[in-house]
Amino acid sequence: AQSVTQLDSHVSVSEGTPVLLRCNYSSSYSPSLFWYVQHPNKGLQLLLKYTSAATLVKGINGFEAEFKKSETSFHLTKPSAHMSDAAEYFCVVSRFGTGKLIFGQGTTLQVKP
Amino acid sequence: EAGVAQSPRYKIIEKRQSVAFWCNPISGHATLYWYQQILGQGPKLLIQFQNNGVVDDSQLPKDRFSAERLKGVDSTLKIQPAKLEDSAVYLCASMPLATPYEQYFGPGTRLTVT
Repeated sequence: AQSVTQLDSHVSVSEGTPVLLRCNYSSSYSPSLFWYVQHPNKGLQLLLKYTSAATLVKGINGFEAEFKKSETSFHLTKPSAHMSDAAEYFCVVSRFGTGKLIFGQGTTLQVKP
Repeated sequence: EAGVAQSPRYKIIEKRQSVAFWCNPISGHATLYWYQQILGQGPKLLIQFQNNGVVDDSQLPKDRFSAERLKGVDSTLKIQPAKLEDSAVYLCASMPLATPYEQYFGPGTRLTVT
């Protein structure tokens, strides 16, 4: 069985400060892990993915995430938040090759000027 | 490259009525998904197609929901009769066989059942 827990339902940061969105996973198999972003009234967009290659994964818009097997975590970070980063973020786990995604509950990122 | 198209974008119906949603995936994408996203939650898979065959419909409430993907391209999702708890955003996604992990999502259809 697979599951994802996003540890914060809401995160608020000031523009220009670092962003940390936390995600823990549970998987009976070697997992593939993803972060998706959802802006209001727009479709979900893939930010980055981990599929058993390098454990530090770089994505779009300056985001990155590190796969830590010992901690079963896949936290999303960005050094400096921008107003346009305000959105809903989903951590997602999958069994590689199945194409089946299991979403976390989501974290709302608020960026204050 | 055109993205995943969905229509309508919004729909309001009364309980016990029926409703249908349409999805046009990205050209050439063999796999198509329907998800239900209830407010405040992550998307939940309803059904997965590969070409015109069903791969997984284990979480589809088959007493009221149905879906088809004729000719392996467009797909429709139907609810009949609708219940209040069906109020949600219905997302369609497609995925190419070459990259069996990256799904491309449409903008969704927001359904309100009153």
